[in-house]
Amino acid sequence: DAGVIQSPRHEVTEMGQEVTLRCKPISGHNSLFWYRQTMMRGLELLIYFNNNVPIDDSGMPEDRFSAKMPNASFSTLKIQPSEPRDSAVYFCASSFGSSYNEQFFGPGTRLTVL
Amino acid sequence: AQKITQTQPGMFVQEKEAVTLDCTYDTSDPSYGLFWYKQPSSGEMIFLIYQGSYDQQNATEGRYSLNFQKARKSANLVISASQLGDSAMYFCAMREGTGTASKLTFGTGTRLQVTL
Repeated sequence: DAGVIQSPRHEVTEMGQEVTLRCKPISGHNSLFWYRQTMMRGLELLIYFNNNVPIDDSGMPEDRFSAKMPNASFSTLKIQPSEPRDSAVYFCASSFGSSYNEQFFGPGTRLTVL
Repeated sequence: AQKITQTQPGMFVQEKEAVTLDCTYDTSDPSYGLFWYKQPSSGEMIFLIYQGSYDQQNATEGRYSLNFQKARKSANLVISASQLGDSAMYFCAMREGTGTASKLTFGTGTRLQVTL
């Protein structure tokens, strides 16, 4: 079975550019989560969706960040304009059913903003 | 206050020995879940084990067991018979509440190094 798929795996861009990260959750999962991992702040939840609806975006750092989930099999996280402090590994995770089910993580996208 | 606290930034253990990774949590919600994830150097996050707040018995999954002490609000991960492949970062996480309003909060992690 295919796990959570993220693309690209690595992204290097210049400050001010728009960056779009993509995620395909595991088929049948109805919750999707975007996390950011840095050395300084650890693993932070940015936003999560349930049945394609954003439930909690309190972790989104600022208006430069936006996330969408147009259907059950696809989500994007966009940063516009990007800044060097956005450099991090961005993980997408999905889960199914009750809140006590584990989240399955994608391989992550390593973003470097120069 | 930190919701999840992992006080050991790094741990060493000899191969074939057991090791305990500490995790304490803080919540006033009676319904919660505790998770452990492993992150090897390759970067992926791998789910290891789960303990629900109402579970009567400690969770076990192969060589992993969770020492759940509810009154102390601790959920330590025990890895028995350590292997070189266990060298990784280990994260404790908590989910409070149920339903769509729940989300995971992660600790800062413990880096485990298994030595020969």
